[in-house]
Amino acid sequence: DAEITQSPRHKITETGRQVTLACHQTWNHNNMFWYRQDLGHGLRLIHHSYGVQDTNKGEVSDGYSVSRSNTEDLPLTLESAASSQTSVYFCASSEFTDGPYEQYFGPGTRLTVT
Amino acid sequence: GQSLEQPSEVTAVEGAIVQINCTYQTSGFYGLSWYQQHDGGAPTFLSYNALDGLEETGRFSSFLSRSDSYGYLLLQELQMKDSASYFCAVRGNFKTIFGAGTRLFVKA
Repeated sequence: DAEITQSPRHKITETGRQVTLACHQTWNHNNMFWYRQDLGHGLRLIHHSYGVQDTNKGEVSDGYSVSRSNTEDLPLTLESAASSQTSVYFCASSEFTDGPYEQYFGPGTRLTVT
Repeated sequence: GQSLEQPSEVTAVEGAIVQINCTYQTSGFYGLSWYQQHDGGAPTFLSYNALDGLEETGRFSSFLSRSDSYGYLLLQELQMKDSASYFCAVRGNFKTIFGAGTRLFVKA
């Protein structure tokens, strides 16, 4: 069965360190997204990609970067982790170019920056 | 700007019907979606409305009125397992935004 996975599921890091969160999907979807979820804010879009070598900033992209080298993977990098980036991060993929058509979400990564 | 409003909490009794409202303000509009998320889990897609009217999927229905910038999710025959957070999401001209979520508590 097709799926979308994230790793690690939990991560504790120190302020200033670079951190990369992995996202891998086997749906063969062109569209992939990274969100962060904080209490009271719902899901906020960090970056999205419509295909290989195509990435776009979302509403909360400062301090984050992504790179899409193949269809299956969209890693999210925190260049210099800050305590404000403590959050739960969800990766999602979609068959359709424009959301919010059905998006399939990964299980999430809980990141703590100390 | 773009914004979504939905109630923060709703409580209902098992077997009852509950309606979760969502009002939105966007630059352009492509559709309204609903997602369910259990504690510690990932959001899962429930429904999508692009046109006015009611869409029914089993115990869940979703309604959209584009002229009123309003939609709702209707859950019938509530079960304990329906206790979760429910998010509406809207795509405008430039981006997709999610509401802050409505936490539904189902009581026995």
